[in-house]
Amino acid sequence: RKEVEQDPGPFNVPEGATVAFNCTYSNSASQSFFWYRQDCRKEPKLLMSVYSSGNEDGRFTAQLNRASQYISLLIRDSKLSDSATYLCVEMDSSYKLIFGSGTRLLVRP
Amino acid sequence: ETGVTQSPTHLIKTRGQQVTLRCSSQSGHNTVSWYQQALGQGPQFIFQYYREEENGRGNFPPRFSGLQFPNYSSELNVNALELDDSALYLCASSVNPGQGTDTQYFGPGTRLTVL
Repeated sequence: RKEVEQDPGPFNVPEGATVAFNCTYSNSASQSFFWYRQDCRKEPKLLMSVYSSGNEDGRFTAQLNRASQYISLLIRDSKLSDSATYLCVEMDSSYKLIFGSGTRLLVRP
Repeated sequence: ETGVTQSPTHLIKTRGQQVTLRCSSQSGHNTVSWYQQALGQGPQFIFQYYREEENGRGNFPPRFSGLQFPNYSSELNVNALELDDSALYLCASSVNPGQGTDTQYFGPGTRLTVL
């Protein structure tokens, strides 16, 4: 079983739609979680950190459910520029990042 | 931009050769982590250097080795290249690996192709 699992997608949504991604992790002792965004053939860029009960940044909301060991990312009012791969990331007890395989989002006009 | 730079951008090697990839960390950062990203996969942790010492290693064979220099820049060396080593190699710099809030900032990566 992978340590961090994500639905690979792609999620194909119209502009303005709300879309949600989920991710599960296996290490119940992990404390820190992140969402990174990766454009095609580019490096991952930090989108949001997810601590304790989650957080919101503009159109993006991240939630952490420790009991079920999953993290979610909600994107409201999708823009064409949101098209990318979204990587769910766990920081383990030795402070290394463990990435999921990514969920691909396509926002169409 | 993150201020993390990597060189070269692209590299083509043949099986059995050796390669050295370089990374300059963001100003003020003393930690560099290296990741390998195969096509269609998420990045996989190779190892991390903190103040010139190896500070953790992932599930990679010994032919993957690294260095960190006093200015905190870093090198990744891969010996005896195999076809499966073809990937995007990413380095990430950060300030303090001992804190869960530590954010890692990625460089643009080096795309290695092994023929």
